[in-house]
Amino acid sequence: EAGVAQSPRYKIIEKRQSVAFWCNPISGHATLYWYQQILGQGPKLLIQFQNNGVVDDSQLPKDRFSAERLKGVDSTLKIQPAKLEDSAVYLCASSTFGGANEKLFFGSGTQLSVL
Amino acid sequence: GENVEQHPSTLSVQEGDSAVIKCTYSDSASNYFPWYKQELGKRPQLIIDIRSNVGEKKDQRIAVTLNKTAKHFSLHITETQPEDSAVYFCAARFSGSARQLTFGSGTQLTVLP
Repeated sequence: EAGVAQSPRYKIIEKRQSVAFWCNPISGHATLYWYQQILGQGPKLLIQFQNNGVVDDSQLPKDRFSAERLKGVDSTLKIQPAKLEDSAVYLCASSTFGGANEKLFFGSGTQLSVL
Repeated sequence: GENVEQHPSTLSVQEGDSAVIKCTYSDSASNYFPWYKQELGKRPQLIIDIRSNVGEKKDQRIAVTLNKTAKHFSLHITETQPEDSAVYFCAARFSGSARQLTFGSGTQLTVLP
């Protein structure tokens, strides 16, 4: 079974620039998550999609972060403009929704460095 | 808000010894508790999980125990090997329709040969 695909793997930008990350979830997974993982910390949820609708974006800094999942499959996360404190690994994850076997699977992440 | 606390933050054990990592959670209605292993530069990978209707679950050298009354759960690794060295994260799925996971801050486990 193919896993969660993310690109790019690494990105280095200067502060105030913009950046976008892409995610393709596991086939059939209706729920997609973006997490931010700062070095030495656990993943922190930014936004959750169910198909192409937003379930929870309460922790997304909406003044600079945006995300979309237009066709209910792939998703993009954008930061504009980036700040130094946005340096982190951005992890995409997907799961089925509901049921006894619901499990969360992560992609390899995009490591963002803001200089 | 919902909170998961994880201890210790670092743990060193001799190869062959056991390792125990503990987590506490805040929402008594939480119903799902997975553990993830993250090797350096790699994705977090699910290694074991437990649901609130079960007190213990084992898979070869790893086991998870859940105490719903005390609101804590633990990961036990027996006969540790150098390849067990990694960061381990616990998580809890809190009540509510969103079914999100909240993660602990992680434990860096080092198995010394």
